[in-house]
Amino acid sequence: DAGVTQSPTHLIKTRGQQVTLRCSPKSGHDTVSWYQQALGQGPQFIFQYYEEEERQRGNFPDRFSGHQFPNYSSELNVNALLLGDSALYLCASSGTGYRDNEQFFGPGTRLTVL
Amino acid sequence: GNSVTQMEGPVTLSEEAFLTINCTYTATGYPSLFWYVQYPGEGLQLLLKATKADDKGSNKGFEATYRKETTSFHLEKGSVQVSDSAVYFCALSAYSGAGSYQLTFGKGTKLSVIP
Repeated sequence: DAGVTQSPTHLIKTRGQQVTLRCSPKSGHDTVSWYQQALGQGPQFIFQYYEEEERQRGNFPDRFSGHQFPNYSSELNVNALLLGDSALYLCASSGTGYRDNEQFFGPGTRLTVL
Repeated sequence: GNSVTQMEGPVTLSEEAFLTINCTYTATGYPSLFWYVQYPGEGLQLLLKATKADDKGSNKGFEATYRKETTSFHLEKGSVQVSDSAVYFCALSAYSGAGSYQLTFGKGTKLSVIP
């Protein structure tokens, strides 16, 4: 059973560019959450997708957008990249119906903005 | 809002020493509590969890007890190994509306174990 997978592993972009990160959830999971982890910090919640809709959103600007597909995979898009967007982006999946809603994390995509 | 505060690192211990990493939280309702571990260059792995007051989570020799009266979830291990060197994150999961549970993390504590 494959766990959560993310692509690409690493990415280098320049300021002002746009980037798309991809995530495939663990088998049987229908909810995908995205987190940003800056160097030396804990992960910060960006948003969560369920049934192809954004269900919850953290304190991130509209430059951050996402999408969920019918097969539950998800994309994170960031427009007009800033140097401060350099971080590890983590995707986590979970299943509905569980009180603690345990989230399983992928290995992350390391984004560097020059 | 919800928040998690954990002791700042880095923490450096000798092999076989006793480990405690303190974690306290602020949350409305009844959150679930987690410890995640992150090895260099990797994503997060769930280490242990507790879903209600007085529950003890345990895994790989690590333990943490959900203390509602002190809003704490301190991580302990009786004898650390070099392979335990990693960054440890305390987190809570709380209902945030619209059927969604959201994880809130502490800033992480870097542990280095020396032979």
